[in-house]
Amino acid sequence: KAGVTQTPRYLIKTRGQQVTLSCSPISGHRSVSWYQQTPGQGLQFLFEYFSETQRNKGNFPGRFSGRQFSNSRSEMNVSTLELGDSALYLCASSPDSGGFTLHFGNGTRLTVT
Amino acid sequence: GQQVMQIPQYQHVQEGEDFTTYCNSSTTLSNIQWYKQRPGGHPVFLIQLVKSGEVKKQKRLTFQFGEAKKNSSLHITATQTTDVGTYFCAGRRTSYDKVIFGPGTSLSVIP
Repeated sequence: KAGVTQTPRYLIKTRGQQVTLSCSPISGHRSVSWYQQTPGQGLQFLFEYFSETQRNKGNFPGRFSGRQFSNSRSEMNVSTLELGDSALYLCASSPDSGGFTLHFGNGTRLTVT
Repeated sequence: GQQVMQIPQYQHVQEGEDFTTYCNSSTTLSNIQWYKQRPGGHPVFLIQLVKSGEVKKQKRLTFQFGEAKKNSSLHITATQTTDVGTYFCAGRRTSYDKVIFGPGTSLSVIP
């Protein structure tokens, strides 16, 4: 089985711009969650989607949003980028959203200048 | 809100020495998972513990879940250079709650 695929791998954006990141889960996995990883803050939970519905949400401002499509693929959008949004954004999929292990993608490295 | 802490933040050991990282949650967890992230890589699942007092072993790695289901530990016997990386614990309050990760323990192994 193919693993979790995240695109693009690297992004450089300017403050004020917006960005969309994509995640394709492992075939058959219906839950997708997103995490922001920075050296100072570790892995911070952004949100989780299951069957196109947002199941859980972390403590991030409304500039961070996401969605999931009927094929379980997910996108994450960040609007009005700030320097502090520079981070590695990781997507993880699991068969269901309850107690199952997370399978992470390689991440998208976002740099905001 | 729920918090998950890990100590130590960093650990440097000589190859062959043992290593332990401790994870503590502010709330009771339904389960706890451990992940390893190699430098430049992504977190990779190691194990899940569900039962109070559970102990699981994977070769040189021993995982424990506390009786109160609020703490956990990972112990590595006789570390090797392949053990280098950051070890994260992650827990949920209920099966369908969001997963909260600890800040991780970064392990360096000196050959």
